[in-house]
Amino acid sequence: DIQVTQSPSSVSASVGDRVTITCRASQGVSRWLAWYQQKPGKAPKVLIYAASNLQSGVPSRFSGSGSGTDFTLTISSLQPEDSATYYCQQADSFPLTFGGGTKVEIK
Amino acid sequence: EVLLLESGGGLVQPGGSLRLSCAASGFTFATYAMSWVRQAPGKGLEWVSGISISGGNTYYADSVKGRFTISRDNSKNTLDMQMNSLRVEDTAVYYCAKRGSGSNSWYVDLWGRGTLVTVSS
Repeated sequence: DIQVTQSPSSVSASVGDRVTITCRASQGVSRWLAWYQQKPGKAPKVLIYAASNLQSGVPSRFSGSGSGTDFTLTISSLQPEDSATYYCQQADSFPLTFGGGTKVEIK
Repeated sequence: EVLLLESGGGLVQPGGSLRLSCAASGFTFATYAMSWVRQAPGKGLEWVSGISISGGNTYYADSVKGRFTISRDNSKNTLDMQMNSLRVEDTAVYYCAKRGSGSNSWYVDLWGRGTLVTVSS
């Protein structure tokens, strides 16, 4: 099975800051990686698919990059509504696997 | 409105069974692969099972293989999961999830609100 490791597990940043979250797969997944945002008590919401494709309706301050084993989610200018937990998911092979999550808090 | 609505969750004793259902609306259900994803209380997301468009191919996490069975009825726009031999560690919110259409990969672009399964004596 492909293991997916996210870092950091939590980050605290100020409004307007640039925030970067990384995801590392235990073996290459090409570009088949997605990023999700989840707020407390809600279902997740996809932000990025295929490593760098912005899901329709998602603000352009969110971006994704990477291929193979190393991926990055960047929030270019953190907003109060971005306080949430973020997950990556490899979509290359079964069983599909998620990273452990990164909690983003606003200072 | 595009919607997935889960039902069937509840309290069950260890070793018991439960059947979850998901009713899809607002999109052509028969043209999308589907999955179940769960989240234990206070924990992260765990993919549980997936099924192809026709239902001919099914996939499972190692943690549920042999105990859970995913199925679909394209004539009724429903996705089901039969859960047998339930364990305490199966306690979670179970989400019905639609495969995304943006690329040839199994990501999720539509989630249900989830149904809570509690396995406890």
